[in-house]
Formats: sequence, structure tokens, C-alpha cells
Amino acid sequence: DIQMTQSPSSLSASVGDRVTITCRASQSISNYLNWYQQKPGRAPKLIISSASFLQSGVTSRFSGSGSGTYFTLTIYSLQPEDSATYYCQQSYSDLFSFGPGTKVEIK
Amino acid sequence: EVQLVQSGAEVKKPGESLKISCKGSGYSFSSHWIGWVRQRPGKGLEWMGIIYPGDSDARYSPSFQGQVTISVDKSINTAYLQWDTLRAPDTARYYCARVRNSYGPFDYWGQGTLLTVSS
Repeated sequence: DIQMTQSPSSLSASVGDRVTITCRASQSISNYLNWYQQKPGRAPKLIISSASFLQSGVTSRFSGSGSGTYFTLTIYSLQPEDSATYYCQQSYSDLFSFGPGTKVEIK
Repeated sequence: EVQLVQSGAEVKKPGESLKISCKGSGYSFSSHWIGWVRQRPGKGLEWMGIIYPGDSDARYSPSFQGQVTISVDKSINTAYLQWDTLRAPDTARYYCARVRNSYGPFDYWGQGTLLTVSS
């Protein structure tokens, strides 16, 4: 199995801050890495696919990068509506797996 | 418009069986893998498995292999998640989601089915 880790597990930042979440895979997954945003009581929402492709309709404040085993999700100029839990997911193997999540709160 | 509509909330007793559903519309149902994801209260997302409606090929996470059965009826564009014997730790919200393409992201999600298992 491919194991996914994320750091930090939670963070608190101010409006306008730049926030970076990291995701690591236990083996190389090329760029088969996706990011999801989940708000309380809602289904997850795909925000970035293939490590860096911003989904249609998603604000350009979000940016993804990385390949191999190390990936990052950056939120530029954090806004109140960005408060959510963010999950990375690998789709390299037949057995997809999620990271444990990073909860982003606004100070 | 792509939609995945899941069956409603369930309250069950330990030892009972259950099958929940996920109906797809607005796209070629047989051509996209469908996955199931568990989310226990206050916890993260857990990938359970996926199924290809075209040929019913199913893959399971080792954590869920033997614990649940994923099936599909492509004639009615519906995927299923089934338990033969429910236990209290199965209490969770279960999401179905469509796999976009060979690169794998879940691009559309159902609204989730809340399952409560309690005596």
C-alpha cells in the first residue's frame, strides 16, 4: 500500500496570509496526486488534480506543486471561506489512499 | 449535469445487514469507475474501494477487503455498498464518488449516506 502523510495536522492563520500544506507519499507516485477541500457537513470537493491542475471554478489563490513523493498545496492570501480541512490523495496505484487531512482555521 | 444521488440515512442494530446505493446521472455511467469513501464522526477520509460499472471489476482497500461488498447494476446506473454483519464501528458517513479518468481524481461526489449502528 502507498501511505500518505500530511503536515501540519492543523494550522491557524490570518486573513491575507500565505499557507502551505505538505503531503508526502511512501513511494514515488509521479504526479498522481489530488487535493480536496472539505467544509463541515459537506462532501469533499476536488480543487487540484495531477498535482498542479486547478479545477474549473476554483479560485486561483490555490496552487499545487510537486512530483514523486513530495507535494505542496499553497493558499495565497487566505480568505475566511478557505477555512476547511484539506486532504491529499494518491491515484497512482489501483488502491487510492488519502492523507490524514490538514485543518485550516482563520485567526 | 453530472449527479450522484445516494440513499438516505440508516439506523441499524449490530448484526444486521445493509445495502446502500449511489445513482449516477448526466454522464456515461458504465465508463467511469465509482468509489466509496468512509468518514467516521470527526475523522478523516478513508478510501474503501472502487468498481468499474462496465464489467463490475472491483478493487478493495486491504482495510475493507472482506468487510464490505461493492457491486453495481449498470442497467439502472446504480452502485452499491453492502454489509452482511454490521458493527458499531461501522457508524460513519459513506460517500460515493466518480473517478474522472485514468489519472484518478474523484471529480463528483454524492451527498453522503449517514449510517448509525447502535443497539
